[in-house]
Amino acid sequence: NAGVMQNPRHLVRRRGQEARLRCSPMKGHSHVYWYRQLPEEGLKFMVYLQKENIIDESGMPKERFSAEFPKEGPSILRIQQVVRGDSAAYFCASSLSDRVNTDTQYFGPGTRLTVL
Amino acid sequence: DQQVKQNSPSLSVQEGRISILNCDYTNSMFDYFLWYKKYPAEGPTFLISISSIKDKNEDGRFTVFLNKSAKHLSLHIVPSQPGDSAVYFCAASPFVNSGGSNYKLTFGKGTLLTVNP
Repeated sequence: NAGVMQNPRHLVRRRGQEARLRCSPMKGHSHVYWYRQLPEEGLKFMVYLQKENIIDESGMPKERFSAEFPKEGPSILRIQQVVRGDSAAYFCASSLSDRVNTDTQYFGPGTRLTVL
Repeated sequence: DQQVKQNSPSLSVQEGRISILNCDYTNSMFDYFLWYKKYPAEGPTFLISISSIKDKNEDGRFTVFLNKSAKHLSLHIVPSQPGDSAVYFCAASPFVNSGGSNYKLTFGKGTLLTVNP
């Protein structure tokens, strides 16, 4: 059973470009979470999605960031007009349910975004 | 405002000895606590967890202790092995009534553990 897949593993963008990060959850998992880890920081929750629905985007910056989890295909985290402060590791996690005390969140290897 | 704090950025121990990693939290609503281990260039891997109704949970070489009154938890690794060298993250999730959800994890900054042969 493959784990959570993320691609690309490394992404370099110039300021003002768009970044698209993809996440394929573990087989059978319909709950997907995105976290961001800035340098020297812990992981910070960004958004929680189920198929075709954004459930909680309270951790997502209000502008330039968006996320989706379509009926078919991976979840996408999209960052428009990237700035240097967006440079970070972006981790996706998936789980069987939305309760961590019964179902573990499994993390992907992350996408390291570098903005030049 | 950091709600989960890991005040030691790094810890170095000898192989075979005990490793003790500490974590403090400030939010009284946190009810469930987890430790994740992370190797370079990989994602965090779940290690062990504890509910606030317990004060200890053990899984092989790993034991987590929770002191609710002090809002403190610790992870003990005995005996430590070189393969345990990694960054350890403490995470917490809020209390939830039956039927609710508690998916939002709040992480500390992590502690880099180095186990020397």
